[in-house]
Parts: sequence; C-alpha cells; structure tokens
Amino acid sequence: SQKIEQNSEALNIQEGKTATLTCNYTNYSPAYLQWYRQDPGRGPVFLLLIRENEKEKRKERLKVTFDTTLKQSLFHITASQPADSATYLCALDGAGGFKTIFGAGTRLFVKA
Amino acid sequence: KAGVTQTPRYLIKTRGQQVTLSCSPISGHRSVSWYQQTPGQGLQFLFEYFSETQRNKGNFPGRFSGRQFSNSRSEMNVSTLELGDSALYLCASSPVAGLRANEQFFGPGTRLTVL
Repeated sequence: SQKIEQNSEALNIQEGKTATLTCNYTNYSPAYLQWYRQDPGRGPVFLLLIRENEKEKRKERLKVTFDTTLKQSLFHITASQPADSATYLCALDGAGGFKTIFGAGTRLFVKA
Repeated sequence: KAGVTQTPRYLIKTRGQQVTLSCSPISGHRSVSWYQQTPGQGLQFLFEYFSETQRNKGNFPGRFSGRQFSNSRSEMNVSTLELGDSALYLCASSPVAGLRANEQFFGPGTRLTVL
C-alpha cells in the first residue's frame, strides 16, 4: 500500500542553523509533492509545491528537493528561527484525481 | 479574501449520536476536501468534492458522508458516533485551476470529542 514516512522523532536545532526534514514514500508515483506547516490547534498552511520533473525549488529561506528515483524529498530551512518551530507535513498527489496523502509530520524545535 | 471557515469549532457528542460539520471554502474555490487528524494516524483523507460531485474517497466506513452545495459550501456527516471518531476534522479548499491549482487552503478545523 502507499506509504509516506517522515521522521517521527522531533528535530531540535539551534537558531541560525539549517534544518533538514526528510520525506520518503513507497508504492506511489506522485505527480507532485507539497510541504505544509502546522501549528498546534491550527490547520496546515501551504509552503511549497514541487513537481515530479523538478529537482529543486526555493522560496526565501526554504528549499525543497525531489528525487523520484530515491522516492525522497528533503525540506530545508536555512538560518532557522524560533518562529520556525512547528510540525512540517509532506503530502503527495498523483495525477488524474488521485487523492492527497499526507505524512505524519515532523516536529521541529528551534532553540534561541 | 476570507479564508476557509469551519463551524462549529468545537463539538462534544456521545456515542451513537450523529454530527454534521460545515465548511465554507474560499470564494471562487470549487474543490473541497475533508481530512481527519488524530495523534496516532496523522492527517487522513476522507473525501473530496468538486462541483457538487464526490471525486475521491478515502478508506473510511460508510458512517462518514459528505456533500457539496452549488455555492461550493460543504458538509460532512458522521452517523452512529464511536469513541474513535474523536479527532480534529479539517476542511481544505482548492482553486483547481490557475497557478495555485494544487495548493490546498485549510480551515482551522472542528475539534470533535465523542464521550
């Protein structure tokens, strides 16, 4: 069955460092992959989308890579700040009306 | 533009009862998806509606149903509630077309507690 794996352990990093979160998937050929941020008690907020034919995408301090051979996406936050502390979710979508599948998320803590 | 709104925000029900949750998408968005979020299972897809038609359905029992109205507003219904239905129910709307076609805009969720 289709499966998405994100590091279930929380990631603790120091302010100013780069946070790297991983999303691995199996039994799926996504047309595109998305990353969302979720704060406690709130709905997820869209951050970035990367398509299957794109290797890398950037937005301000955020960078996403997508390796369809390894079936993996990496999400980087450079110059991290305490305000970046949240849960980050990756989501996969297939083409042609496939439903969106979300990973369980990775909790990020950025210490000042 | 106003964001996705969901009502009610909090709900307490007892086992066996039924519940209806409402979602108003962002103006102009025609796709509405529903998700169940629990600490153990994460975000799980329930169903998606587009132009009043269910386009996709997740692996949930028939007690979970939904519908979409001509103004794109959507409701989901859970009948014969079970303790395990306690969760945060999230609604997301999507423009479907345009540059941000695949981006989902989530509402704040409805926190359902079943006693």
